[in-house]
Amino acid sequence: NAGVTQTPKFQVLKTGQSMTLQCAQDMNHNSMYWYRQDPGMGLRLIYYSASEGTTDKGEVPNGYNVSRLNKREFSLRLESAAPSQTSVYFCASRSSLNTEAFFGQGTRLTVV
Amino acid sequence: RKEVEQDPGPFNVPEGATVAFNCTYSNSASQSFFWYRQDCRKEPKLLMSVYSSGNEDGRFTAQLNRASQYISLLIRDSKLSDSATYLCVVKSPGGSQGNLIFGKGTKLSVKP
Repeated sequence: NAGVTQTPKFQVLKTGQSMTLQCAQDMNHNSMYWYRQDPGMGLRLIYYSASEGTTDKGEVPNGYNVSRLNKREFSLRLESAAPSQTSVYFCASRSSLNTEAFFGQGTRLTVV
Repeated sequence: RKEVEQDPGPFNVPEGATVAFNCTYSNSASQSFFWYRQDCRKEPKLLMSVYSSGNEDGRFTAQLNRASQYISLLIRDSKLSDSATYLCVVKSPGGSQGNLIFGKGTKLSVKP
């Protein structure tokens, strides 16, 4: 059982480059999330999708876009990467509002 | 007042010690509560949910005090393998957090 799978695990980008972080879950969960984690800041929500076809901004959405391609997949796109987007990115999913979230292994992104 | 607050630590304790973490939350309408564990450079993983009557899982005990709006985690007989960051997570209605709000975590280091 793979759970939540994120790709890539590591990435280095130059300022201004674009890239898409992929996330897929095989648990038939309705809700999916993208977080970033920085030292001393904890987990901050970028975007979330409560169900297939819907997306909503979180706490720090600027500079990012998302797509809920289907129930399984939720991608995060950086159109023009900036050094401030250097971070560890986690995708998560959960089945309903009162259950716990399951996380992917994270993507370590460095923007130079 | 931040939505979920935790003492960042670090808590440095010897093996066998008992250690307690507290977490406070600001929204009295919060509905579900969790403790997550995050190892260095890994994704957060659910340690235990927190129920109104309190609950225990082996050496770990979680308590909820709705009147004072705090949650606690007690670890008895600490092991070296308990060294990690412990995240308090609260599910609250509405807001920009997709309903799940993470504390910044409390770091625990168990020494031989």
